[in-house]
Amino acid sequence: DGGITQSPKYLFRKEGQNVTLSCEQNLNHDAMYWYRQDPGQGLRLIYYSQIVNDFQKGDIAEGYSVSREKKESFPLTVTSAQKNPTAFYLCASSIAASAGGELFFGEGSRLTVL
Amino acid sequence: GQNIDQPTEMTATEGAIVQINCTYQTSGFNGLFWYQQHAGEAPTFLSYNVLDGLEEKGRFSSFLSRSKGYSYLLLKELQMKDSASYLCAVRDTGKLIFGQGTTLQVKP
Repeated sequence: DGGITQSPKYLFRKEGQNVTLSCEQNLNHDAMYWYRQDPGQGLRLIYYSQIVNDFQKGDIAEGYSVSREKKESFPLTVTSAQKNPTAFYLCASSIAASAGGELFFGEGSRLTVL
Repeated sequence: GQNIDQPTEMTATEGAIVQINCTYQTSGFNGLFWYQQHAGEAPTFLSYNVLDGLEEKGRFSSFLSRSKGYSYLLLKELQMKDSASYLCAVRDTGKLIFGQGTTLQVKP
């Protein structure tokens, strides 16, 4: 079945460590996105990519990095520079960033910093 | 700037109708989406409006007025399983911007 797979589902990290969240899609979508959600809050855009080898910062990119070397994959690295990384991270994809297609979401990765 | 506003919380009774409003101000506009999100889960797509008017899909309807920067989601014949957060999102030049979400509690 086509879909978006995020891993790991739960992750614990010590302060000062970098951590990478995986996001893979087999929907043949051009656009991919990373969002962060805090308790009781909406989704805030971290980074998005409209095409392979290109990505743009969202509203809260500081302390995060991404790469888009393959169409199927859009990993997110939470660096030690991110001051409050504990959150629920959601990856999504759509047919094209400029088109009207909806976003399809992965099941999310819950990161806790100890 | 970009701003999407929704009420934070709403309560309604099983079997009733509820309307969740969303107002937006964005630099670009290429459609408005509504998503449903149950606690701890990923959002699921409910509706999409790009032209003014009402889109109906079963118990759910969504309305858009681009001139007013306004949309609403209408839920009919409420069921207990409709208790969830409802997220309004606007596509603005390549990215989808979300409001903070409206938590709907359906009571018996």
